[in-house]
Amino acid sequence: EAQVTQNPRYLITVTGKKLTVTCSQNMNHEYMSWYRQDPGLGLRQIYYSMNVEVTDKGDVPEGYKVSRKEKRNFPLILESPSPNQTSLYFCASRRGTSGGAVEQFFGPGTRLTVL
Amino acid sequence: LAKTTQPISMDSYEGQEVNITCSHNNIATNDYITWYQQFPSQGPRFIIQGYKTKVTNEVASLFIPADRKSSTLSLPRVSLSDTAVYYCLVDSSYKLIFGSGTRLLVRP
Repeated sequence: EAQVTQNPRYLITVTGKKLTVTCSQNMNHEYMSWYRQDPGLGLRQIYYSMNVEVTDKGDVPEGYKVSRKEKRNFPLILESPSPNQTSLYFCASRRGTSGGAVEQFFGPGTRLTVL
Repeated sequence: LAKTTQPISMDSYEGQEVNITCSHNNIATNDYITWYQQFPSQGPRFIIQGYKTKVTNEVASLFIPADRKSSTLSLPRVSLSDTAVYYCLVDSSYKLIFGSGTRLLVRP
């Protein structure tokens, strides 16, 4: 089954404790992306990757890091989490054409709480 | 990057047709218009995508006028399960911007 998986699905942590949220897709997609979703703000893009070893900032990259060492995986790293990073996070992937006419597949989400 | 504007919320009744309009005044020549549906605590799900005129699939239609500065998602005969948030997205290369979405409530 074609899917995007994220782990963990739920995480409660404390300020400053480094964490990684994993994302994996089995569709051989070139493009992967991370979003955060907060009440009243919709989805905001954090980082995206057009292919292996190619990443770029989205609209809200501060406080996050990503890496793309393999095509299928795109982990999101919070080096020193803060309470304002409490949010619902989604990973997504799609084929790597330039621009539109391509469906984006989303993972189930990771609900992160930073105390 | 084009920004989209949608109504914050809409109400409808089962069996009615629902039209949600999205404004994207700064859309670029190569941009596509895409709509996603999202249920609470789930990832968005692709509904439909188009470039101009009309696109129809098994769940919705998308109308895009010649100037492409707006688009309308049409959901025929909605049911209670169509209650969700609907996002209009202008697909501009790889940096994707979602609007705040339209919260659709379908009543019995």
